[in-house]
Amino acid sequence: ETGVTQSPTHLIKTRGQQVTLRCSSQSGHNTVSWYQQALGQGPQFIFQYYREEENGRGNFPPRFSGLQFPNYSSELNVNALELDDSALYLCASSLALDPARGYTFGSGTRLTVV
Amino acid sequence: AQSVSQHNHHVILSEAASLELGCNYSYGGTVNLFWYVQYPGQHLQLLLKYFSGDPLVKGIKGFEAEFIKSKFSFNLRKPSVQWSDTAEYFCAVNARAAGNKLTFGGGTRVLVKP
Repeated sequence: ETGVTQSPTHLIKTRGQQVTLRCSSQSGHNTVSWYQQALGQGPQFIFQYYREEENGRGNFPPRFSGLQFPNYSSELNVNALELDDSALYLCASSLALDPARGYTFGSGTRLTVV
Repeated sequence: AQSVSQHNHHVILSEAASLELGCNYSYGGTVNLFWYVQYPGQHLQLLLKYFSGDPLVKGIKGFEAEFIKSKFSFNLRKPSVQWSDTAEYFCAVNARAAGNKLTFGGGTRVLVKP
């Protein structure tokens, strides 16, 4: 059973650029959630995807967008990067909408915006 | 909207000391409660969770937590810590009416001195 895989592990972007982060969910999981963890803070919910549709969104602007593919993998896209977007971006997968099944987190992508 | 407060940002203690980390949440409905640990350079790992039943929950690595509904609290405890417990600990809440989004506290960084 594979865990959650995120790529890349690190990247550096310039303010105003666009970035795409990728996540492969754990085998058997069909729901993917994205979180932003700024330095010294807890993870903040960005949005969740279930059956390729957005299913809930946190307090993030529309320049944060996502996709889920038929194989349940997912992408997080951020346009017009700002310095405050520098953070660790975490992907978590779960089975359906049942939190009792548990969440599996990836190791994250460390994004630095300069 | 739900929120989670972790009162201690940093805790320093010696091996064999007892550990208690506070967690309070604000949400009036039914919740699922979690404690996650993040060891340096690693992904978030689930320590324990509470969904229903016995409010005293036992998790991995000798950790336990007690849900006190009247106090909206879910404090984490370990009777005797080891140097390997050095990590950051996050309390998280899932409001059952809000799908399976997790709301995290700000985290407590624990340093165990050998």
